[in-house]
Amino acid sequence: AQSVTQPDIHITVSEGASLELRCNYSYGATPYLFWYVQSPGQGLQLLLKYFSGDTLVQGIKGFEAEFKRSQSSFNLRKPSVHWSDAAEYFCAVVNTGGFKTIFGAGTRLFVKA
Amino acid sequence: DSGVTQTPKHLITATGQRVTLRCSPRSGDLSVYWYQQSLDQGLQFLIQYYNGEERAKGNILERFSAQQFPDLHSELNLSSLELGDSALYFCASSVDGGPHDEQYFGPGTRLTVT
Repeated sequence: AQSVTQPDIHITVSEGASLELRCNYSYGATPYLFWYVQSPGQGLQLLLKYFSGDTLVQGIKGFEAEFKRSQSSFNLRKPSVHWSDAAEYFCAVVNTGGFKTIFGAGTRLFVKA
Repeated sequence: DSGVTQTPKHLITATGQRVTLRCSPRSGDLSVYWYQQSLDQGLQFLIQYYNGEERAKGNILERFSAQQFPDLHSELNLSSLELGDSALYFCASSVDGGPHDEQYFGPGTRLTVT
């Protein structure tokens, strides 16, 4: 069965430091991959998505993610974190033959001054 | 603001009751999705509709049902409510409901069952 693993429940980084959030998926083929962000009390907002082609994708708010087929990973990165990036981040997959979106458990990001 | 509206924002009800959550998609979007977010289960896909027809079903209980109306708004009906149904329920919409589509999420309805 498809699954998405975000191994870090929460991460704390200093403002201005770099960030990497991990995501691993389990699926036979390359699924459609997404990263969403949820700010407190808000719905989810799409940061970026990957379907095919260049394995490094750029998103909004200065985020990027790299797809690594050999590692079944789709890690999210940002070179310099801002206090406003504090939120919960969800990795999600949709299998190419269907429509169900499977979300990871989420990683909560704390940013310290 | 995603353009997706959900009502009500909060709902408090008792066990055994029935409630209806409403969602209006973004203008032009034909597909609607429902999700349940709880502390123990995380974010779970419930069901998807496209232009009035059910397209995909996830972990939706038999006590729950949904529909999408001709004007494309959708309702999620939860019946025989249990304490464990307390959660945040999100609606999302997308243009054509394909697996590659960006989903736009509403602010959610927080349901508390007492």
